[in-house]
Amino acid sequence: GAGVSQTPSNKVTEKGKYVELRCDPISGHTALYWYRQSLGQGPEFLIYFQGTGAADDSGLPNDRFFAVRPEGSVSTLKIQRTERGDSAVYLCASSWRNQPQHFGDGTRLSIL
Amino acid sequence: QKEVEQDPGPLSVPEGAIVSLNCTYSNSAFQYFMWYRQYSRKGPELLMYTYSSGNKEDGRFTAQVDKSSKYISLFIRDSQPSDSATYLCAMTTPRGNMLTFGGGTRLMVKP
Repeated sequence: GAGVSQTPSNKVTEKGKYVELRCDPISGHTALYWYRQSLGQGPEFLIYFQGTGAADDSGLPNDRFFAVRPEGSVSTLKIQRTERGDSAVYLCASSWRNQPQHFGDGTRLSIL
Repeated sequence: QKEVEQDPGPLSVPEGAIVSLNCTYSNSAFQYFMWYRQYSRKGPELLMYTYSSGNKEDGRFTAQVDKSSKYISLFIRDSQPSDSATYLCAMTTPRGNMLTFGGGTRLMVKP
């Protein structure tokens, strides 16, 4: 596709539930990034993939958060036992090598 | 203290004004600097990407980097109502992986 695609655009779920957020990067981009943006704040780094492997997961807040990119293209961010504090916009970005990152429109996650 | 500081605004200017947006940073390892524009309920959109100290111009936008002062700026000439958005500065080290963002400045350009 022309840009980074994220689905769903909005997700509302109850505390304690499991959620999966999907990111489809720009075709050919080898690097993929996940960020989290709270209201009124800048995005904060979560995890970075180069190809299929997680090259840097230092931003994941705890072990409830996990992400995969099994074929080096689409990525899924998985959150277990969701908490109200997980409510935020989850942004995905992709890039070609060390070129600037291009972002999707994010998934707005609300935990009730 | 955050690694990247940015005045949250809001900054309100009349149409046609010159806008100056700024960020300061503390980590001297940052070598690549970006400005993103973010409209409400949209993702950040890359506006400018610079590496060296000095100025880079693209249409109505000029990015300025002063590494000695750890200070970057974005100037918008002849501002338009369509420029109303949140502007995010971002920076990274030569490894070029994770971006570190400022908190964003909300700009409102009034017709």
